[in-house]
Amino acid sequence: DAGITQSPRHKVTETGTPVTLRCHQTENHRYMYWYRQDPGHGLRLIHYSYGVKDTDKGEVSDGYSVSRSKTEDFLLTLESATSSQTSVYFCAISESGLSAFFGQGTRLTVV
Amino acid sequence: KQEVTQIPAALSVPEGENLVLNCSFTDSAIYNLQWFRQDPGKGLTSLLLIQSSQREQTSGRLNASLDKSSGRSTLYIAASQPGDSATYLCAVPQGSYIPTFGRGTSLIVHP
Repeated sequence: DAGITQSPRHKVTETGTPVTLRCHQTENHRYMYWYRQDPGHGLRLIHYSYGVKDTDKGEVSDGYSVSRSKTEDFLLTLESATSSQTSVYFCAISESGLSAFFGQGTRLTVV
Repeated sequence: KQEVTQIPAALSVPEGENLVLNCSFTDSAIYNLQWFRQDPGKGLTSLLLIQSSQREQTSGRLNASLDKSSGRSTLYIAASQPGDSATYLCAVPQGSYIPTFGRGTSLIVHP
């Protein structure tokens, strides 16, 4: 299995608080992605990175920011969590976009 | 924008049947197509990766075909088993390196 770890695996937070999810890889892959998965919507891309300090928005980026200061870490931040951000968040990695590998997911509940 | 559609959305079959899951995409200028499996509450596991130059890939009882010109891929599962019960997702690149997903086919194989 590809070395990709998400933390935390589960989190409950209150509306309006900041939340940071971490994705860590040991594969030295260039590309990293954050998706959210919701019933009826499937997997939707939030942000992605194509190198250190190189990031771009996906289709559902509003309310989220990301940072990648090292190849191995990709952080997703919810600046002020809302109930609509309750979801399962997945990190994925890829080298040259040929084959993607996924983390186990973070289940986030905003109350 | 790449759009991916999977049919059927859900499938329930008795053990032993041969199955066909369909994936269609709108932009045929793709480098590859990837099939994943997702068990409830888990991350995505890669099953098969088909490069654009290939017509099909096989792994055990699974066979995936790719027809770029028609924008279609098929995942064939032979002699289905209860352990095959899961959601199956296909992904194709948006551009050259951003995986875009269908909503998946939820499969139940009952004994």
